[in-house]
Amino acid sequence: KNEVEQSPQNLTAQEGEFITINCSYSVGISALHWLQQHPGGGIVSLFMLSSGKKKHGRLIATINIQEKHSSLHITASHPRDSAVYICAVSLFGNEKLTFGTGTRLTIIP
Amino acid sequence: DAGVIQSPRHEVTEMGQEVTLRCKPISGHDYLFWYRQTMMRGLELLIYFNNNVPIDDSGMPEDRFSAKMPNASFSTLKIQPSEPRDSAVYFCASARQSNYGYTFGSGTRLTVV
Repeated sequence: KNEVEQSPQNLTAQEGEFITINCSYSVGISALHWLQQHPGGGIVSLFMLSSGKKKHGRLIATINIQEKHSSLHITASHPRDSAVYICAVSLFGNEKLTFGTGTRLTIIP
Repeated sequence: DAGVIQSPRHEVTEMGQEVTLRCKPISGHDYLFWYRQTMMRGLELLIYFNNNVPIDDSGMPEDRFSAKMPNASFSTLKIQPSEPRDSAVYFCASARQSNYGYTFGSGTRLTVV
């Protein structure tokens, strides 16, 4: 079993819809990261969370440490949001990231 | 800051050849990571350095892979000899301190034929 599970694996939505991507992990972590990767592109760090909620523009990330769960929300989705969104965790005492398998998001105009 | 700089962006090489990938981290960042991304396995850590010292190389596939960080501004990942199964995108990332955000390079797409 992967230490980091994401759902859904693929998500297609109409422009303007509210998007939620989920991430669950099975171990104690020091931080959780949300990353974005456009097709053929590099990886951009969106958020790093250890508790609570963070917001940047139309993106919101939340984490529930007790439930070992995080969500990434996109409000008023746009075709340019189409990308793979990757959840990753770092463990206490270890700086390396363990990655989920990613969620491929496609926003249709 | 120019961000994390990787070179080359693309590399095509023949099986058996030596391949060297290069990374320049962001100035002032204490951590440097090498990750590999494939369709089958997704993103996986190969090795990471703290203050130029290798800390965890448990992800290095085998002796054909080696990584060095001779100073704070430069790291290399070398594959010798290369094999077709090494074809992947190799990302370098750096971070300032524990639990600060990561910055990834643009990646090197390696194709071994």
